[in-house]
Amino acid sequence: GENVEQHPSTLSVQEGDSAVIKCTYSDSASNYFPWYKQELGKGPQLIIDIRSNVGEKKDQRIAVTLNKTAKHFSLHITETQPEDSAVYFCAAVLTGGGNKLTFGTGTQLKVEL
Amino acid sequence: DSGVTQTPKHLITATGQRVTLRCSPRSGDLSVYWYQQSLDQGLQFLIQYYNGEERAKGNILERFSAQQFPDLHSELNLSSLELGDSALYFCASSVGGQNYGYTFGSGTRLTVV
Repeated sequence: GENVEQHPSTLSVQEGDSAVIKCTYSDSASNYFPWYKQELGKGPQLIIDIRSNVGEKKDQRIAVTLNKTAKHFSLHITETQPEDSAVYFCAAVLTGGGNKLTFGTGTQLKVEL
Repeated sequence: DSGVTQTPKHLITATGQRVTLRCSPRSGDLSVYWYQQSLDQGLQFLIQYYNGEERAKGNILERFSAQQFPDLHSELNLSSLELGDSALYFCASSVGGQNYGYTFGSGTRLTVV
């Protein structure tokens, strides 16, 4: 089955700096890679996703890049703000019936003033 | 509000007991997924239902069972509870069975004492 590794487990940045979280996956057939943000006391919220036929996707201050050859994908947050502080999860799946979304272990991002 | 409703929000029960967690998916979503989140295990996939039928199974214990009803709400039954079952249990839903764009509920925090 799929295995997703995520690094770092904790990340502390100064407000306004950029943050990068990296994930690697094991199943080369995986074709969908979402990122979730989980704030304290809440469920994970989808913030951006990318499919295997795309190398990069951007949404305002958030971007995701995918390197299929190396089987890794990254989340980039620019101009970080205190409200970006949360736990971020990457995930990977081969879409289709019977396949589960496999999550990374999470990154605790802290944006300091 | 994500549109996925989970009840109850908190549950405290004793070892050996049985509990039922309930999930109402977002309007129009046919798939329901159950995940367990504990401090040291991250988000662990338990089971998926699509339009009333079991679609995928993860590392769900035999003491746990689930079902999806004709109105598409789902219930996760946990029996013979152990201290180690204490965790956050999340339900997520998606339109189809293809694993795109999960929407998570806010979770049920189960504490077994």
